Amino acid sequence: AQKITQTQPGMFVQEKEAVTLDCTYDTSDPSYGLFWYKQPSSGEMIFLIYQGSYDQQNATEGRYSLNFQKARKSANLVISASQLGDSAMYFCAMKLTGGGNKLTFGTGTQLKVEL
Amino acid sequence: GAVVSQHPSWVICKSGTSVKIECRSLDFQATTMFWYRQFPKQSLMLMATSNEGSKATYEQGVEKDKFLINHASLTLSTLTVTSAHPEDSSFYICSAQKGSNQPQHFGDGTRLSIL
Repeated sequence: AQKITQTQPGMFVQEKEAVTLDCTYDTSDPSYGLFWYKQPSSGEMIFLIYQGSYDQQNATEGRYSLNFQKARKSANLVISASQLGDSAMYFCAMKLTGGGNKLTFGTGTQLKVEL
Repeated sequence: GAVVSQHPSWVICKSGTSVKIECRSLDFQATTMFWYRQFPKQSLMLMATSNEGSKATYEQGVEKDKFLINHASLTLSTLTVTSAHPEDSSFYICSAQKGSNQPQHFGDGTRLSIL
């Protein structure tokens, strides 16, 4: 069975600095997708970025980039130039291509951006 | 865009009543919708996968007679918590997917409190 691990329950970063949120995964399936979602205190889940297992390049979306290291089974999220509005819970998730589109979520990392 | 609307956002009701939560994809057709439950400071737990026009697929341990799911159209899925009790109090959040290789887009969630 697949598993997602986020080892950082909480992180602090100063405004305008970059921060890396860790995510490792475990699956024997060669075809999968990796996602990052942001959940502010209001509760909604906001899709941030996606990386396919066969993608040759690391995904980037604005200030978000995904450091995908397939051999290490890691998919860390990098947020550049942190803003106060980035304070939220961040979840890493994985979907197996043949797995009925189900997402498996990690336990999340609470990010706090400070002045 | 990919907007998912969930209603109501907050429900407080007496023990024994049934509560219906709606999930709508506003600007796209979703062949698959998902229902999650989230306890405070925990990750999302998939309850069931809902496909338009067919019976929902429930995850292990989720009572299908307790949590009734209907996916009558490509833009609407409903979750009914029948005979709700205090232990059913939680944050329920739905998601919708345009296609199998697309990210899930989430509604804003429903906070359910059973007194």
